[in-house]
Amino acid sequence: GAVVSQHPSRVICKSGTSVKIECRSLDFQATTMFWYRQFPKKSLMLMATSNEGSKATYEQGVEKDKFLINHASLTLSTLTVTSAHPEDSSFYICSARGQGSSGELFFGEGSRLTVL
Amino acid sequence: GESVGLHLPTLSVQEGDNSIINCAYSNSASDYFIWYKQESGKGPQFIIDIRSNMDKRQGQRVTVLLNKTVKHLSLQIAATQPGDSAVYFCAERSNQFYFGTGTSLTVIP
Repeated sequence: GAVVSQHPSRVICKSGTSVKIECRSLDFQATTMFWYRQFPKKSLMLMATSNEGSKATYEQGVEKDKFLINHASLTLSTLTVTSAHPEDSSFYICSARGQGSSGELFFGEGSRLTVL
Repeated sequence: GESVGLHLPTLSVQEGDNSIINCAYSNSASDYFIWYKQESGKGPQFIIDIRSNMDKRQGQRVTVLLNKTVKHLSLQIAATQPGDSAVYFCAERSNQFYFGTGTSLTVIP
């Protein structure tokens, strides 16, 4: 199946710094990518929908200025957690929608962010 | 967001038995559903999908059943193996993909 690569897989940063997470579709073009956040033993919470070449659509309650999403090409979307605080510590997962009518989602392996 | 929830947060089954994981959804306009498996510390993996014009779909050792009347989805795993131990999520698609709460499946050897 299609491959989605996420980088970094783990990142530890100091409070107040910004962290960028990359999501790449390696063998297909993804016009739409999704960013999810997952807390321990909880489900995936959709943060935003990222469309190539346009502004991301954020879910209710997600701060746009806090979680900056850029989808500059058909194979790359980035999530930047700005001025990170300990409460931003979480597992962030991206996914890309496959082409064709099925619309199956392919997921990255996730990025574990720890803010000290 | 839409409400997509699972009935049971945990499920334990004996190795070799069949497992049934349930999911309820609320958006009658959803046209596509997917079951995912997530192992600890990893991203979700696709298991099987079903479109709203179907009520059953079979894969290798897995079957998904869709009951649109009561907005219910189930995943059946035949001859459950220790490697099946994971958290299972259902997801529905309307304009976005929304995930259910998840069921943690533990297979007892």
